Amino acid sequence: GQQVMQIPQYQHVQEGEDFTTYCNSSTTLSNIQWYKQRPGGHPVFLIQLVKSGEVKKQKRLTFQFGEAKKNSSLHITATQTTDVGTYFCAGPGGNKLVFGAGTILRVKS
Amino acid sequence: GAGVSQSPRYKVAKRGQDVALRCDPISGHVSLFWYQQALGQGPEFLTYFQNEAQLDKSGLPSDRFFAERPEGSVSTLKIQRTQQEDSAVYLCASSLARWGYEQYFGPGTRLTVT
Repeated sequence: GQQVMQIPQYQHVQEGEDFTTYCNSSTTLSNIQWYKQRPGGHPVFLIQLVKSGEVKKQKRLTFQFGEAKKNSSLHITATQTTDVGTYFCAGPGGNKLVFGAGTILRVKS
Repeated sequence: GAGVSQSPRYKVAKRGQDVALRCDPISGHVSLFWYQQALGQGPEFLTYFQNEAQLDKSGLPSDRFFAERPEGSVSTLKIQRTQQEDSAVYLCASSLARWGYEQYFGPGTRLTVT
């Protein structure tokens, strides 16, 4: 079945450093969604990308969808302590969203 | 407005007991999803409803798991004869439609089977 893989599994950065997480799908995706889950919280939708090569920005967050629509990335510029949490990508697979295992971000102040 | 709510937030069950987990989706949301999230993992799909119809239950791990949404709003996930491997957070999410729309997650129910 469809698989969605994320790397790295875990990243610990100094406040102010940049952070990037990568997402790869075993199949071509019609769209990809990104969610953030704070420690002890539930996933919260961040963004959806639909077009090949699409780039979207939300303040310090930049999301990219690969040309082949099989990979995506999330880049955070100048991380802040409020960025801590787990970032998940998810792609449609039949009736469901298939989530990656997530990248845990910790920020040292 | 009100988001997705789930109850109970925490449940401790002894092995072999039956449990029922409730989800109140956002009013007007057609689609409802149940997920299971193990520690350190992403949410794993369990089942999907469109209104009252259960269109996909391919993710339910065994026939001990049963879900319903009889009136197309509130949903219940029932687990019979709980086992230790059922311990996880059970997340409910609702959406305006199946695709092209974000999913709104509830706070989850943390189930611990002892």
